[in-house]
Amino acid sequence: NAGVTQTPKFRILKIGQSMTLQCTQDMNHNYMYWYRQDPGMGLKLIYYSVGAGITDKGEVPNGYNVSRSTTEDFPLRLELAAPSQTSVYFCASSDRGGSGTDTQYFGPGTRLTVL
Amino acid sequence: DAKTTQPPSMDCAEGRAANLPCNHSTISGNEYVYWYRQIHSQGPQYIIHGLKNNETNEMASLIITEDRKSSTLILPHATLRDTAVYYCIVRLDAGNNRKLIWGLGTSLAVNP
Repeated sequence: NAGVTQTPKFRILKIGQSMTLQCTQDMNHNYMYWYRQDPGMGLKLIYYSVGAGITDKGEVPNGYNVSRSTTEDFPLRLELAAPSQTSVYFCASSDRGGSGTDTQYFGPGTRLTVL
Repeated sequence: DAKTTQPPSMDCAEGRAANLPCNHSTISGNEYVYWYRQIHSQGPQYIIHGLKNNETNEMASLIITEDRKSSTLILPHATLRDTAVYYCIVRLDAGNNRKLIWGLGTSLAVNP
């Protein structure tokens, strides 16, 4: 299994541009998440999904959109890039097991700079 | 979800045990304690989790106090590759609520 893959690894955007960060998992996990991590900080949840067709907002959803048409893919869309969105973006997935088992598996991240 | 408090940094000698503390004094009865770590610039990696009982796996041990207000992650024989930021997280396991609230973690430096 490749686990969770993210593309691209790096991207520089100009203010006002848009882009989609791709995330794919091959573990057949129902739950998927998008986080952002600013320098020296912990992760903040942007959006999450509990299954295909179902998404919900996290702590910091403004400026982002998501969709979940398949179990495997959970793309994150930035419509009008702003410098405040400069960050490292991590995608994760998990499956619901018994006894609180809910290990999240993370992708390698996408480093985004908005100038 | 309950919040956690961790020391910002710790040092440990290679080969010695690393004991990383975490306070979660407002934890609720059905909230689990999770530990993840993040090696520089990589995605976080799951280590261990527990509810009430102490837990051990191939990576670490988790000691949870009887009142559940604090816990300690133990890396029994730290190596240089264990240098990372360690995050202690409490998470409510209820229905579809899957939100992990991440703090700043503890930056562990394992020294030769």
